[in-house]
Amino acid sequence: KNEVEQSPQNLTAQEGEFITINCSYSVGISALHWLQQHPGGGIVSLFMLSSGKKKHGRLIATINIQEKHSSLHITASHPRDSAVYICAVYYSGGGADGLTFGKGTHLIIQP
Amino acid sequence: DSGVTQTPKHLITATGQRVTLRCSPRSGDLSVYWYQQSLDQGLQFLIQYYNGEERAKGNILERFSAQQFPDLHSELNLSSLELGDSALYFCASSFGTSNTEAFFGQGTRLTVV
Repeated sequence: KNEVEQSPQNLTAQEGEFITINCSYSVGISALHWLQQHPGGGIVSLFMLSSGKKKHGRLIATINIQEKHSSLHITASHPRDSAVYICAVYYSGGGADGLTFGKGTHLIIQP
Repeated sequence: DSGVTQTPKHLITATGQRVTLRCSPRSGDLSVYWYQQSLDQGLQFLIQYYNGEERAKGNILERFSAQQFPDLHSELNLSSLELGDSALYFCASSFGTSNTEAFFGQGTRLTVV
């Protein structure tokens, strides 16, 4: 079964800290998404990656295709970053063409 | 605002009933995906349509069906509802298929009582 593993499951940090969330997957992928879900439930797409690194504001996402691993970094974290961060992949090859999701990382940034 | 519109936002219905969830994709997007988020299963892919045709199926129950219309909006039909069908249902759209970025709607929260 193709799986997406995220760590940590839960993370509590102080405002200003550098945050890293990790994602690993089991087989080849065509692309990886990092998503953010706030308590209200809506999902926002932060990044889509197929190689290398992307940066948007205080958020940085990297992917290592050979190691089947991606990281999401948040610099100068702020309480408004508190949310669930979800890694999701499109597996390459045959089969379903939708995203396969990790279980998410619950992030709380305390002021 | 992602540009993907889902209606209704909330829906409460009784077991055995049938409901229809609606999704309007972002302007120009040809793909529509439906996902279910439940407390015990997390987010799961249900079905994908591309330019009016079914493209891929995931963990969609036989009691559930979907279609994409010529104007590219999509509907997810859930019938013979059970308590376990209570979940958040998300629609996402993208221009192409698996190599293009997906944008999510705000979801429809379905409660079956």
